[in-house]
Amino acid sequence: GQQVMQIPQYQHVQEGEDFTTYCNSSTTLSNIQWYKQRPGGHPVFLIQLVKSGEVKKQKRLTFQFGEAKKNSSLHITATQTTDVGTYFCVSSGSARQLTFGSGTQLTVLP
Amino acid sequence: EAGVTQSPTHLIKTRGQQATLRCSPISGHTSVYWYQQALGLGLQFLLWYDEGEERNRGNFPPRFSGRQFPNYSSELNVNALELEDSALYLCASSLDLATNEKLFFGSGTQLSVL
Repeated sequence: GQQVMQIPQYQHVQEGEDFTTYCNSSTTLSNIQWYKQRPGGHPVFLIQLVKSGEVKKQKRLTFQFGEAKKNSSLHITATQTTDVGTYFCVSSGSARQLTFGSGTQLTVLP
Repeated sequence: EAGVTQSPTHLIKTRGQQATLRCSPISGHTSVYWYQQALGLGLQFLLWYDEGEERNRGNFPPRFSGRQFPNYSSELNVNALELEDSALYLCASSLDLATNEKLFFGSGTQLSVL
């Protein structure tokens, strides 16, 4: 199945600093979704990107889909303690199987 | 609108036993997905059911099986439990992934195998 590599695995930032997680695939993706999982919680859908070079913003979160549709990034500006959690990119493969990246666990230090 | 519900919340079993986990999708959703999340790790795809049929399965042994009922609820069965089966099992439902619909997750069942 489709594989997506996500980096970094862990990220500690001071509150107010920016944060970026990257998702890379060796194959072209039809679309990419991003989910957030709070500690002890379940994944919650954030956004979906479909078009080449697409950029979407949600308040302090900026999502990008690469021109070749092989990579994506999530950038958080001025992190807050409420941003703590694991962020997963998810690719859609054959037979409608969604493959989760390994995730980036974000810790925000107050 | 009720979300995806899973039961039980926690399940403790011993090696060799069988476990049954249950999931009710959001009303109107016909697809149910099962994922395994071992402690501190990502989500591994287990099974996908749609309209009562198994449509796809991940790289797991046959002792992981399940079914989907006419009301679209689903069961995941794990036979001959092994210690490494201890994990959070998440169920998700969607309306229609073919149209790029998102997944809605339940809160999961924490399975502990002793």
